[in-house]
Amino acid sequence: EAQVTQNPRYLITVTGKKLTVTCSQNMNHEYMSWYRQDPGLGLRQIYYSMNVEVTDKGDVPEGYKVSRKEKRNFPLILESPSPNQTSLYFCASSLVGRNEQFFGPGTRLTVL
Amino acid sequence: GENVEQHPSTLSVQEGDSAVIKCTYSDSASNYFPWYKQELGKRPQLIIDIRSNVGEKKDQRIAVTLNKTAKHFSLHITETQPEDSAVYFCAVPALRAGNMLTFGGGTRLMVKP
Repeated sequence: EAQVTQNPRYLITVTGKKLTVTCSQNMNHEYMSWYRQDPGLGLRQIYYSMNVEVTDKGDVPEGYKVSRKEKRNFPLILESPSPNQTSLYFCASSLVGRNEQFFGPGTRLTVL
Repeated sequence: GENVEQHPSTLSVQEGDSAVIKCTYSDSASNYFPWYKQELGKRPQLIIDIRSNVGEKKDQRIAVTLNKTAKHFSLHITETQPEDSAVYFCAVPALRAGNMLTFGGGTRLMVKP
C-alpha cells in the first residue's frame, strides 16, 4: 500500500531533551516536507527536500533540523525542544512535476 | 512569502444546504490551487484541485472556481451531508522550489442534520 508513515504518533517530552520524528514513504517520491499545524494558523512549512542530500528551509525552520540521506526517509530533529514547539506535525511527500502532497498520519508532540 | 487568506474561519450550515469557502492569494504567478479536507484526528487529504488554465472544475457535489484576475478561488459544496463536517484548507504553491504549499488558516465546516 502506497503510504507515508510517521513515528512516533504521540510524544510527550521535556524541554531540552533531543528527539527525532521519523518519516518514511514508499512511493519513490522525490519531494518530502515537514509542516506543523497549530490552531488558527493552518499548516506551516518547516523544511523541505527536493531529493537526497538536498534540503532547504520553509517558513518556520527555527529550532528544527532535517536530513535526507535516503530517498524514502526524511527525519525531523529537535535538538533542544521548547514548549513553543508543542504542535501537530505532518510529513508529506510528492512527485516531481505533481503538486499533490501525500500526508503522513501526524505526530502530536507536547514539550513540557 | 506567499500570503493566503481563507474565509470564513467557521461555517455552519443545515444538511442539504450549500457551503462556499473563499481563498485569496498574493502571487499572481501561482498556477495550482488545491483544496484539502481534514477530518477530526486525521491527516489532510486532497479533495479537488484546479490549474490556472481553467476557471471551474466539478467532482460530484464539490466544485472549485478560480478568478485569476482577482486572485481568489472558492470551494463549493452542494447538498451538504453530515460527513462533510471537517476542516477545509486551501493552498497555493510556496514562493520557492520544492512543491511545498502555503496553506490558508482553515475553515471549520459544521453540517447540522
